[in-house]
Amino acid sequence: GEDVEQSLFLSVREGDSSVINCTYTDSSSTYLYWYKQEPGAGLQLLTYIFSNMDMKQDQRLTVLLNKKDKHLSLRIADTQTGDSAIYFCAEMWVDSSYKLIFGSGTRLLVRP
Amino acid sequence: EPEVTQTPSHQVTQMGQEVILRCVPISNHLYFYWYRQILGQKVEFLVSFYNNEISEKSEIFDDQFSVERPDGSNFTLKIRSTKLEDSAMYFCASKAGNNEQFFGPGTRLTVL
Repeated sequence: GEDVEQSLFLSVREGDSSVINCTYTDSSSTYLYWYKQEPGAGLQLLTYIFSNMDMKQDQRLTVLLNKKDKHLSLRIADTQTGDSAIYFCAEMWVDSSYKLIFGSGTRLLVRP
Repeated sequence: EPEVTQTPSHQVTQMGQEVILRCVPISNHLYFYWYRQILGQKVEFLVSFYNNEISEKSEIFDDQFSVERPDGSNFTLKIRSTKLEDSAMYFCASKAGNNEQFFGPGTRLTVL
């Protein structure tokens, strides 16, 4: 089935690390994405990972993938107040039209 | 940096009226998409378009919806007879041959 799950809310203190989790469905040759949505704004592509990789690092962002458990995480190092937003993980099904299936989003609140 | 643009940013319409939401995808992209996000809910796939035809559509995309690429730059979503439940944020996205899917800022549709 098409179901991507995320926890709904995360609160961290400024300067701490944030870890946002996601579980995804099992489909072949999947790419997995993280998008950021600020209030009233569109979806900003943060990073993505191919399902045969374990990890990808991009500046303050680290994506970890556990294929066995179909678990994806996004770690934000040194979280800033500007990181407060909703974070969506999404799965691309390459055996269809490359559509994205989104999770419900995790609202990250960064406290000063 | 190239980006996906959408107009209008906000559309208010009466129930039963037709609306056309417009998008200009990134110029060298080949795959085009419409998604919607009802307030407070996840982003849902509506339709994908490739090689001048629909490649996949969701069950949401019924006969009231249509898409068109009338020229080399625009990609439109038409809702023939709007219903209250069509109120949502509508996002256009485009993708090149790689796997980065970029989203526009969205059009907020309010049906009264």
